[in-house]
Amino acid sequence: GAVVSQHPSRVICKSGTSVKIECRSLDFQATTMFWYRQFPKQSLMLMATSNEGSKATYEQGVEKDKFLINHASLTLSTLTVTSAHPEDSSFYICSAREYTEAFFGQGTRLTVV
Amino acid sequence: KNQVEQSPQSLIILEGKNCTLQCNYTVSPFSNLRWYKQDTGRGPVSLTIMTFSENTKSNGRYTATLDADTKQSSLHITASQLSDSASYICVVSTYITTGTASKLTFGTGTRLQVTL
Repeated sequence: GAVVSQHPSRVICKSGTSVKIECRSLDFQATTMFWYRQFPKQSLMLMATSNEGSKATYEQGVEKDKFLINHASLTLSTLTVTSAHPEDSSFYICSAREYTEAFFGQGTRLTVV
Repeated sequence: KNQVEQSPQSLIILEGKNCTLQCNYTVSPFSNLRWYKQDTGRGPVSLTIMTFSENTKSNGRYTATLDADTKQSSLHITASQLSDSASYICVVSTYITTGTASKLTFGTGTRLQVTL
């Protein structure tokens, strides 16, 4: 099946700094990618829909200035957590669609100290 | 409101035993239903995907069923192995319209632990 690669898998950063997470579709082109956040023992929550060549669509309650999304090519979307705070610590997962199938990245564990 | 509910919330079974996980949904309009396996600290991996007209689909020891009339699905795991320990997530997709990516509604998952 198709592969979605997410990097890094783990990152620890200091409060106030920014962190960039990359999501790549390795063997297919994805005009749309999705970014999710997952808290412990909870399901995935959609944060935003990333559209290649245009602005991302954010879900209600998600700050677009804090979670910057860039989808510059058909195989790469990035999520930048700006001015990170401890409450931003979470598991972030990206997803890309190929036809009707949705493939997920390995996830990124972000810890803000 | 589109919702996907799963039961049980958690389950512990002995290695070699079978188990069945349940999923009820109220998502409309319905496009397809997917079951994913998510290991701790990893992204979800697809097990099965079923459309409206499909009643059952198997993937090795995993068999999913779908009753579109009652809006229920189940995932049956046969001869469980220690490596089956994970969260199993039921995901329902709305119908795709032209130029619009379908919305996925996620269940909260069932945490399965297989023990010796």
